[in-house]
Amino acid sequence: TAGITQAPTSQILAAGRSMTLRCTQDMRHNAMYWYRQDLGLGLRLIHYSNTAGTTGKGEVPDGYSVSRANTDDFPLTLASAVPSQTSVYFCASSEGGGNQPQHFGDGTRLSIL
Amino acid sequence: GQNIDQPTEMTATEGAIVQINCTYQTSGFNGLFWYQQHAGEAPTFLSYNVLDGLEEKGRFSSFLSRSKGYSYLLLKELQMKDSASYLCAVVNSNYQLIWGAGTKLIIKP
Repeated sequence: TAGITQAPTSQILAAGRSMTLRCTQDMRHNAMYWYRQDLGLGLRLIHYSNTAGTTGKGEVPDGYSVSRANTDDFPLTLASAVPSQTSVYFCASSEGGGNQPQHFGDGTRLSIL
Repeated sequence: GQNIDQPTEMTATEGAIVQINCTYQTSGFNGLFWYQQHAGEAPTFLSYNVLDGLEEKGRFSSFLSRSKGYSYLLLKELQMKDSASYLCAVVNSNYQLIWGAGTKLIIKP
């Protein structure tokens, strides 16, 4: 069972370059989320999508953009990477509604130099 | 502001019981989750509480007191594989999850 697949697993990126983190789910979940996880901090929501065709800003959206063209895919783009975006990025999905558990991908470890 | 507080780290002995506390101050409350996260891996769902009281699920139990803004996760018969971080997350009035920084649980033989 695949669940949620993220790619790449890890990446080193030069500052100023653009990068798209991929996320695909096969559970037909309505809602999808992008988080970043930094040492000593809780997961912070970057962007979310409650259903295909809609997106919303989370707690830390600056420097990131998303799209939700279909149910399965929810890519996250860094238009011009900066070192402060070095983090572990997790994609998650849920059936929808904030009281449904979220299922997470394995994460992308991104280093911006 | 919205705040979730958990101890940063706890140590316990294999076979023992440990209680991980979580206190919260959020804009509204629509439920509380506990997740487990092993080092280098994704968080995985453990429990969900929306009403006051204790929810038991095998060796793990979760308690909620909405009036006190307090929850705990109770782990019994600790095993080495329980060494992980435990994340508390609250669903606020906008139905968004607010996450605590997590409690790193170290199990010693």
